Amino acid sequence: DTGVSQNPRHKITKRGQNVTFRCDPISEHNRLYWYRQTLGQGPEFLTYFQNEAQLEKSRLLSDRFSAERPKGSFSTLEIQRTEQGDSAMYLCASSGPGNEQYFGPGTRLTVT
Amino acid sequence: AQKITQTQPGMFVQEKEAVTLDCTYDTSDPSYGLFWYKQPSSGEMIFLIYQGSYDQQNATEGRYSLNFQKARKSANLVISASQLGDSAMYFCAMREGLGVTGGGNKLTFGTGTQLKVEL
Repeated sequence: DTGVSQNPRHKITKRGQNVTFRCDPISEHNRLYWYRQTLGQGPEFLTYFQNEAQLEKSRLLSDRFSAERPKGSFSTLEIQRTEQGDSAMYLCASSGPGNEQYFGPGTRLTVT
Repeated sequence: AQKITQTQPGMFVQEKEAVTLDCTYDTSDPSYGLFWYKQPSSGEMIFLIYQGSYDQQNATEGRYSLNFQKARKSANLVISASQLGDSAMYFCAMREGLGVTGGGNKLTFGTGTQLKVEL
């Protein structure tokens, strides 16, 4: 299977802890995106990479959030000092030369 | 103003019937793309269909077609011959700044329409 994969699929953490999520894009895709989706809403854009360069960040991405894509392949999204408001589904997507973005299954974060 | 508006929070359709899911958008950018995604209860966003603002023909992909009315700024999804497996949340999304170097890459999504297909 060559789809987008995300790990872990579910994460439960206590408020104040740090968490890190991983996204493996479709292998030939050089563009990678992170989105956040809360209950009853559509996904909201967080950040975008072209190869290893982070080219766009949303204002939603507070200082507690950091994303990397060190070798232009997989990406990680870290949330420091988690808050209950960070509970959401975190979706990763990748795209190649076309306009379509292909999404992974998401990581569901619950902050208790 | 909302960039993507989906006014139908929920829709019901009988199996084998056609259904139209509404989407209107707001942009002043001349070059943009419109997308529809399906999100089953499992959570994964599945790409269905794409329409570019300069495309002359309405996009079609199997049982999915996009009714693009540029002057009205609408991009409705039509699903023909509905199947039970079509029951899911459907999201309309837009990407602005297509074809512009350094142009926007993010998708802006609507709030979705929950479709239920009944026997």
